Amino acid sequence: EAQVTQNPRYLITVTGKKLTVTCSQNMNHEYMSWYRQDPGLGLRQIYYSMNVEVTDKGDVPEGYKVSRKEKRNFPLILESPSPNQTSLYFCASSWAGGNTGELFFGEGSRLTVL
Amino acid sequence: AQSVTQLDSQVPVFEEAPVELRCNYSSSVSVYLFWYVQYPNQGLQLLLKYLSGSTLVKGINGFEAEFNKSQTSFHLRKPSVHISDTAEYFCAVLSGGYNKLIFGAGTRLAVHP
Repeated sequence: EAQVTQNPRYLITVTGKKLTVTCSQNMNHEYMSWYRQDPGLGLRQIYYSMNVEVTDKGDVPEGYKVSRKEKRNFPLILESPSPNQTSLYFCASSWAGGNTGELFFGEGSRLTVL
Repeated sequence: AQSVTQLDSQVPVFEEAPVELRCNYSSSVSVYLFWYVQYPNQGLQLLLKYLSGSTLVKGINGFEAEFNKSQTSFHLRKPSVHISDTAEYFCAVLSGGYNKLIFGAGTRLAVHP
């Protein structure tokens, strides 16, 4: 089954404790992206990657890092989480064959930073 | 910069009634527009899209949307809703970056029996 898998789905952590949210897709997509969803704000792009070893900032990259060492994986790293990073995070992927806006989303990771 | 405004944060409706979820966009260039749906505790999935051609776009689950350039709108409609349509709906526009979507704030559709 074609899917985007995120882990963990739920996480409660404390300020300053480094964490990683993993994202893996099995569709051989070149393009991957991270979004955060906050009430009243919709989804905002954090980082994206056009292919292996190619990443770039989205609209709200502060406090986050990403890496793309393999095509299927695109982890989101919070080096020193803060309470304002409490949010619902989504990973998404698509093929690079056309700029069509058709993204495949994971089920989301709800992060709470105390 | 492109932006999307969803005019209703919540829309309650009774089962089998028609529904319209409103979306306005701002853009000075050609637009590609989308509606995504998010069922409870799930990720987003594409409902329908407008890239070019016919202004009336049909999507999955009986939904359709009409692109209106003069009113800069892309409203989503369904003639008869079901309980299973209860979800959050996001309007989005393709921005300048590759496959970068700008999302609206979302409209929560609650279908009541």
